[in-house]
Amino acid sequence: AQSVTQLDSHVSVSEGTPVLLRCNYSSSYSPSLFWYVQHPNKGLQLLLKYTSAATLVKGINGFEAEFKKSETSFHLTKPSAHMSDAAEYFCVVSDITDKLIFGTGTRLQVFP
Amino acid sequence: DAGITQSPRYKITETGRQVTLMCHQTWSHSYMFWYRQDLGHGLRLIYYSAAADITDKGEVPDGYVVSRSKTENFPLTLESATRSQTSVYFCASSESMGDRERTEAFFGQGTRLTVV
Repeated sequence: AQSVTQLDSHVSVSEGTPVLLRCNYSSSYSPSLFWYVQHPNKGLQLLLKYTSAATLVKGINGFEAEFKKSETSFHLTKPSAHMSDAAEYFCVVSDITDKLIFGTGTRLQVFP
Repeated sequence: DAGITQSPRYKITETGRQVTLMCHQTWSHSYMFWYRQDLGHGLRLIYYSAAADITDKGEVPDGYVVSRSKTENFPLTLESATRSQTSVYFCASSESMGDRERTEAFFGQGTRLTVV
């Protein structure tokens, strides 16, 4: 069965420093992978998705993620954090029946 | 307004009562989903639907009932609410789940349900 593990429940960075949110997946076939963001008291918004084309995926708001099959990872990065990036981030894998399987989330805090 | 809307946004109900959460989307997406979000668990799938009159269980279906008589609506009913069903519920829709390039789920704003 497909699954996804987000390695950090909380990440804290200073504004202007790089962001790294880690995600590992388990899949018996080539998966589709997504990152969603949830701002406080809001719904979820798609940041980016990997669907088997380029392994480096660029998303909205300067975020990007790299699919590494050998490491079964799909880490989310951003070169320079902004205060508005503070939110909950979810790594998601699409399973063999095309349901979305969510990780437990990483809460990103950005300090001035 | 175009999009996916959930109602109510907030609901407090008593143990044992039946409560229905509504979800409406205006895109005519085939797929619709109900998730619950709990601290430490992320989002867990309750039920999903691939088309009108087609529904299937997700990871945590017990205590919930869904129906989908029209493509645009996907109500979720708690038949006899329990405190363990206190959660934030999200509805989502997707045009396609089998086509990698078109697979993207759009989420509603959520319904915060408290069972007392």
